[in-house]
Amino acid sequence: DIQMTQSPSPLSASVGDRVTITCRASQSIGSYLNWYQQKPGKAPKVLIYAASSLESGVPLRFSGSGSGTDFTLTISSLQPEDFATYYCQQSYSTPQTFGQGTKVEIK
Amino acid sequence: EVQLVESGGGLVQPGGSLRLSCAASGFTFSLYTMNWVRQAPGKGLEWLSYIDSASSIYYADSVKGRFTISRDNAKNSLYLQLSGLRDEDTAVYYCARGVKGIVGTLSFNWFDPWGQGTLVTVSS
Repeated sequence: DIQMTQSPSPLSASVGDRVTITCRASQSIGSYLNWYQQKPGKAPKVLIYAASSLESGVPLRFSGSGSGTDFTLTISSLQPEDFATYYCQQSYSTPQTFGQGTKVEIK
Repeated sequence: EVQLVESGGGLVQPGGSLRLSCAASGFTFSLYTMNWVRQAPGKGLEWLSYIDSASSIYYADSVKGRFTISRDNAKNSLYLQLSGLRDEDTAVYYCARGVKGIVGTLSFNWFDPWGQGTLVTVSS
């Protein structure tokens, strides 16, 4: 199975900060990487698919980059509604494994 | 509106069984791969199983031989039969639709949407 490792965890930030979350795969997965946001008590919601494609309706302050084994999710200017836990997921092979999550907390 | 609604969770004793259901609406259910994902309290996401439109099935090693996924396209419903339950199976269980899309010349897939989840508690 492909292991996905996220950093940092947790991440403390303030409103307006530029935030970067990193996800590393245990082997090359091309661009088969998705990012999800999960708020407490809610189901995850997709933000980014195929490493850098923004899901419809997701604010432009979210962006994704990377390929191979190293990927990043960037929030250009953190908003109050962005405080949540973020998960990466590889869709290169089954089982489609998730990272352990990065909780973005208020500083 | 595309929607998934899980049901069937509850309290069950170790070694017991439970059947989870996921009712789909707002899309042509039979055309999509469907997944089950769980989240233990305070923990991350764990993919469990999928069933595709041709009813091909795959399980995570952690549940293989204990959980059974199935679908009824006539009822727009997905199921997960849980048996031989253990304490570590305590979690919120989500169903999620597998979506495919083309980016450039490649086909990618992701999960969207997810249901609201149903809580399974395994305890004596």
